[in-house]
Amino acid sequence: DVKVTQSSRYLVKRTGEKVFLECVQDMDHENMFWYRQDPGLGLRLIYFSYDVKMKEKGDIPEGYSVSREKKERFSLILESASTNQTSMYLCASTPVFLRTDTQYFGPGTRLTVL
Amino acid sequence: DQQVKQNSPSLSVQEGRISILNCDYTNSMFDYFLWYKKYPAEGPTFLISISSIKDKNEDGRFTVFLNKSAKHLSLHIVPSQPGDSAVYFCAATSTRTSGSRLTFGEGTQLTVNP
Repeated sequence: DVKVTQSSRYLVKRTGEKVFLECVQDMDHENMFWYRQDPGLGLRLIYFSYDVKMKEKGDIPEGYSVSREKKERFSLILESASTNQTSMYLCASTPVFLRTDTQYFGPGTRLTVL
Repeated sequence: DQQVKQNSPSLSVQEGRISILNCDYTNSMFDYFLWYKKYPAEGPTFLISISSIKDKNEDGRFTVFLNKSAKHLSLHIVPSQPGDSAVYFCAATSTRTSGSRLTFGEGTQLTVNP
C-alpha cells in the first residue's frame, strides 16, 4: 500500500511565525504536490515537484515556498504565517508518466494561524 | 478563473436511490477526468476516472458520464449507501501538457440518509 504521511494532523501557530509542513511518501514517487483545501474553493495547487531539487509554482504560490532535498520528502514552508493561511493542507504524490488517477493523498494538516 | 466547477455545494438523497453529482469544465485541453471522495479528517481517495475518448465508464455502483460537447461530466451512484456520505471532488487534466497536475472543482457534499 502506498503511504503518504504528513508531520502533523493539527497545528496552531501565531501570525508572523515560520511554519514547516512536512510530507513523506514511501513509494519512490517522482511527483509530489501541495494543495490547500478551503470550503467552497476545493483543492488549490500551491507548489509541485517533479524531482529532487525541482519545484514549480502552482495556482496560489504567494506566501509559500517548498523544499525537496530527498525524493521521498516534500516540505511546504510558510515564511511568515498570516491568518489567511488558516486552512487544510494536503500533500499528494504520484509516479511519473503513469495514469493520472494514481495521485495519492496524505491525511492532511489542519493549520490555524492566530 | 475556475476551470472546473461543481455548482452544487451539497446534495442529499435517500439510501437506495440514485445520487447524481455534476461537474462542468471550460478548458478544452482537458482530456482526462477523475472523481475523488473525501471523508472528514482524511485525504481524498481516487474513485473513478474517464478519458475523453470515452463517454461512459462504470465501476460497480459508480458510473461516470462525459459529454464533451457540453463540457460536462457526471457521477452516478446507484444504489446510494450511507457510507457514501462524503465530499466528492471532480478533477481534470490535460495529459498532453499538464502531466499529472490536476485541476479540482469546489466539491459537493453528499449526504445519504438511511
